[in-house]
Amino acid sequence: DVKVTQSSRYLVKRTGEKVFLECVQDMDHENMFWYRQDPGLGLRLIYFSYDVKMKEKGDIPEGYSVSREKKERFSLILESASTNQTSMYLCASSSPQRPGELFFGEGSRLTVL
Amino acid sequence: AQSVTQLDSHVSVSEGTPVLLRCNYSSSYSPSLFWYVQHPNKGLQLLLKYTSAATLVKGINGFEAEFKKSETSFHLTKPSAHMSDAAEYFCVVSSGGYNKLIFGAGTRLAVHP
Repeated sequence: DVKVTQSSRYLVKRTGEKVFLECVQDMDHENMFWYRQDPGLGLRLIYFSYDVKMKEKGDIPEGYSVSREKKERFSLILESASTNQTSMYLCASSSPQRPGELFFGEGSRLTVL
Repeated sequence: AQSVTQLDSHVSVSEGTPVLLRCNYSSSYSPSLFWYVQHPNKGLQLLLKYTSAATLVKGINGFEAEFKKSETSFHLTKPSAHMSDAAEYFCVVSSGGYNKLIFGAGTRLAVHP
């Protein structure tokens, strides 16, 4: 069964803390994505990566950075967490041969106090 | 610019009755369109996609959608709702490059016995 695994389902952090969200996929996909999901806003793209060490900004990159050192792993980093970053974070992967067909992890719900 | 509007934030149906989830899109060229489903506490899963082949697209779990260019619509339907269909549904349009998907705000479907 193909899988995208997010390391933490639930996190509670304090304002100013550094936060790492990790995502691993086992499908050998070139493309990986980080989205943020908020009620009434759908999903918004934070960053995506189309190859190891390659990344592009999405629609809301401010306050976030990413790292992709290995093909299967894509990390989202909040350098200094703020309360407005309280949200559900979804990781996804896809193959360039099947554009638009994303495989999602189950999400990481982050609360920043 | 591409955009997508889901016309209903909540839809409630009785088990065994038809389901209609409405989606309108805006695109400056021939779009690719998708429907994704998210069950509670789960990631998103692809239901179906339209990529300029047949205008009536069949997906998983008995769902289908019809692409109507004249109406700029891509409504999702199912003849008979099942309790397991209760979930949130997202209409998605590709924004040129397939790596940039535009998600609608979502429609929450409730199915009553």
